[in-house]
Amino acid sequence: EVQLVESGGGLVKPGGSLRLSCAASGFTFSSYSMNWVRQAPGKGLEWVSSISSSSSYIYYADSVKGRFTISRDNAKNSLYLQMNSLRAEDTAVYYCAKEIAAAGPYYFDYWGQGTLVTVSS
Amino acid sequence: DIQMTQSPSTLSASVGDRVTITCRASQSISSWLAWYQQKPGKAPKLLIYDASSLESGVPSRFSGSGSGTEFTLTISSLQPDDFATYYCQQYNSFLTFGPGTKVDIK
Repeated sequence: EVQLVESGGGLVKPGGSLRLSCAASGFTFSSYSMNWVRQAPGKGLEWVSSISSSSSYIYYADSVKGRFTISRDNAKNSLYLQMNSLRAEDTAVYYCAKEIAAAGPYYFDYWGQGTLVTVSS
Repeated sequence: DIQMTQSPSTLSASVGDRVTITCRASQSISSWLAWYQQKPGKAPKLLIYDASSLESGVPSRFSGSGSGTEFTLTISSLQPDDFATYYCQQYNSFLTFGPGTKVDIK
């Protein structure tokens, strides 16, 4: 059974940093592109970042470019999102999502349960 | 960047109704479109990919159609479990979601 479990969310002050993690199991993690998608309270889904299976291709939404860094450790079956210079508008539930291929863009067949990031003073 | 729109933003319907949601892309995306269902407090669930392919395990009352810039998601007979928000997503160029369509009880 495919499982994606996010962690690392919490309350952080504007300008602060946070690192999200996603632990994957139930599939060959190193064979698939992975993504972060966020959802602000009461709002729609926003794609944040994507990383191909071997980390060769990395993409970011304009809204986070230069502030967020996606990475993965295939040996640990883990995906990460380092978030710096956080703003109030970054407040959202952050989902880890698995793509259907090694390098996209493609759609997501599995999602984690999400981790809430709140940026507030 | 490719922009996605959905209509309507909210749809009130009854159990047994046929429901159609429209998704439009700002430029042609061929058939590179997926549909997701999301219930409150839950992660999205994949329903349709490549515009019209039904994801394994998804009931056959869900169907998708379209290509180019206009797409539809149809629920042939709305069931109680189907009251949720539906999102389209293009994957022709990077990834963009539509704003969502909430299907609620009339």
